[in-house]
Amino acid sequence: DSGVTQTPKHLITATGQRVTLRCSPRSGDLSVYWYQQSLDQGLQFLIHYYNGEERAKGNILERFSAQQFPDLHSELNLSSLELGDSALYFCASSVGPRGALNIQYFGAGTRLSVL
Amino acid sequence: GIQVEQSPPDLILQEGANSTLRCNFSDSVNNLQWFHQNPWGQLINLFYIPSGTKQNGRLSATTVATERYSLLYISSSQTTDSGVYFCAVEGGSEKLVFGKGTKLTVNP
Repeated sequence: DSGVTQTPKHLITATGQRVTLRCSPRSGDLSVYWYQQSLDQGLQFLIHYYNGEERAKGNILERFSAQQFPDLHSELNLSSLELGDSALYFCASSVGPRGALNIQYFGAGTRLSVL
Repeated sequence: GIQVEQSPPDLILQEGANSTLRCNFSDSVNNLQWFHQNPWGQLINLFYIPSGTKQNGRLSATTVATERYSLLYISSSQTTDSGVYFCAVEGGSEKLVFGKGTKLTVNP
């Protein structure tokens, strides 16, 4: 068990809908990262929050948004869903944003299926 | 941005065999991690190794930062070692960039 909790484990929804994925980081970790893993794109970095503030954005679509709350949990919101959004979404956490502080531990992921 | 290449893409072994997985990266790194993604999809930390050598049981890893590569050694492989092994690096951007992985299949 990595200590990073993601809910839900599975999500099945329809095109055009909106979903929210939740992540609780390991105790003491201030950084939260979101990644998308699809068959054709591999593991892609989406967004990074550190202590409540957005730190970096990767290949995140405008239809997607995220936030980190004062208790350090994070939510990833996906809207106007398309078939191509079907993927495994991972959250990872680390103590800090760089180097030896940035040893990232991954949650079990949320498997999103858009039908 | 930083590029990560892993080889081989696929590897099939008999139980008990040894293997070496390679990760090449295009720039200096602050962070290099090896992960194992098991057949259930979970990403498990193996090593944090931006330089030097580490060992953990049957697994060991070596990173030669000056030559921009890292090696993961698996000895006496077991069927439970099957899955995909990822190398991920952090350059100056504070994000991990993942290679495409090596898919390992260990047959009994």
